[in-house]
Amino acid sequence: GAVVSQHPSRVICKSGTSVKIECRSLDFQATTMFWYRQFPKKSLMLMATSNEGSKATYEQGVEKDKFLINHASLTLSTLTVTSAHPEDSSFYICSAPTPFRGDGYTFGSGTRLTVV
Amino acid sequence: DQQVKQNSPSLSVQEGRISILNCDYTNSMFDYFLWYKKYPAEGPTFLISISSIKDKNEDGRFTVFLNKSAKHLSLHIVPSQPGDSAVYFCAADSGGGADGLTFGKGTHLIIQP
Repeated sequence: GAVVSQHPSRVICKSGTSVKIECRSLDFQATTMFWYRQFPKKSLMLMATSNEGSKATYEQGVEKDKFLINHASLTLSTLTVTSAHPEDSSFYICSAPTPFRGDGYTFGSGTRLTVV
Repeated sequence: DQQVKQNSPSLSVQEGRISILNCDYTNSMFDYFLWYKKYPAEGPTFLISISSIKDKNEDGRFTVFLNKSAKHLSLHIVPSQPGDSAVYFCAADSGGGADGLTFGKGTHLIIQP
């Protein structure tokens, strides 16, 4: 139980275009979704926290106009990378608090974005 | 199907004792394993990792053991300190990092005085 489905798993786009990444909680309601950017092998950087029905909270240094986050419903949160640049190429992953598991979190499978 | 499993949602350990956090995986293609630590309102931070060519990696109070035949790894913290109270995530990697990490759901470690 408690699955977060993240799509697409891989995407290649041209510089200047926008890419939307979706995270859906399949069998539970996620009022909160965390969006991370993963750096090679190790660190996860929290980019923003999306909350259903309200504006997302962005971490310091993250451009909110570039990384648009929408939490449209209790089961869907989206991250749109606007006007993508090659330096935006990375692995993006979402996670939501897992219900009935204390402080556990369920992670999506991640999206590998390559901007060419 | 969950490929990385942390079956214990929480673990309570007395200060000074050993904390053992367990993780099981099903995908034999995983070749690199990581442990992350997460405090409330913060993102997970990298703690320690191990390659599949090793069975043990030690860093100060933290040691990770890998049993490939059992598809099991564990994180040992000795001695446990109050600041170790956090949620710990096990993660696995395959394909040289190209496909990102697969995470377990986490274990909340509580260190009691």
